[in-house]
Amino acid sequence: GDSVTQMEGPVTLSEEAFLTINCTYTATGYPSLFWYVQYPGEGLQLLLKATKADDKGSNKGFEATYRKETTSFHLEKGSVQVSDSAVYFCALQLYYGGSQGNLIFGKGTKLSVKP
Amino acid sequence: GAVVSQHPSRVICKSGTSVKIECRSLDFQATTMFWYRQFPKKSLMLMATSNEGSKATYEQGVEKDKFLINHASLTLSTLTVTSAHPEDSSFYICSATRGQRLVAFFGQGTRLTVV
Repeated sequence: GDSVTQMEGPVTLSEEAFLTINCTYTATGYPSLFWYVQYPGEGLQLLLKATKADDKGSNKGFEATYRKETTSFHLEKGSVQVSDSAVYFCALQLYYGGSQGNLIFGKGTKLSVKP
Repeated sequence: GAVVSQHPSRVICKSGTSVKIECRSLDFQATTMFWYRQFPKKSLMLMATSNEGSKATYEQGVEKDKFLINHASLTLSTLTVTSAHPEDSSFYICSATRGQRLVAFFGQGTRLTVV
């Protein structure tokens, strides 16, 4: 079935380090792909998204490119800050005949950034 | 690993009726549960944050009398959509947070269709 696999955490980095959180998916069709972020004590927020192959989503210095050939949507940031400490979720969504399918989430990756 | 079970996964109801959605943490005590809704072709929207034994905190624009949230125990939160209308048709998903680890686990989601 459709699924999302993301790297297990926790990930601990020093400030200004480069971040990569891997995400791969399995889907029967052509999904939209998302990264959501949950900051401590808050609800989930959409970080970025891509709706078709080769699209690049970006926001707040984070980027992810929809790679159909490798079924991946890895999240990257060139220089992390302490304020980026949060849990990051990769997700996919399929559309069936114009109807919206359910969101399928990865298990989440906790990122801790040390000063 | 931790599991959050959401039930039902799909429900069809008539206009004017009420629908209850359950979110259970199966092997941990969830200090906080979040309820989300996804509108067609939109990302997830946080509806409310629910802490065990206290009233839920609703996001701006969410009608608390229409979307009743009860978090009666550390393993169960319920969302009741009262007097449902077709515009309430949507995908609802819960997530549960365990203690201070701030890792959120998601339910499978509920596809509500009001006819």
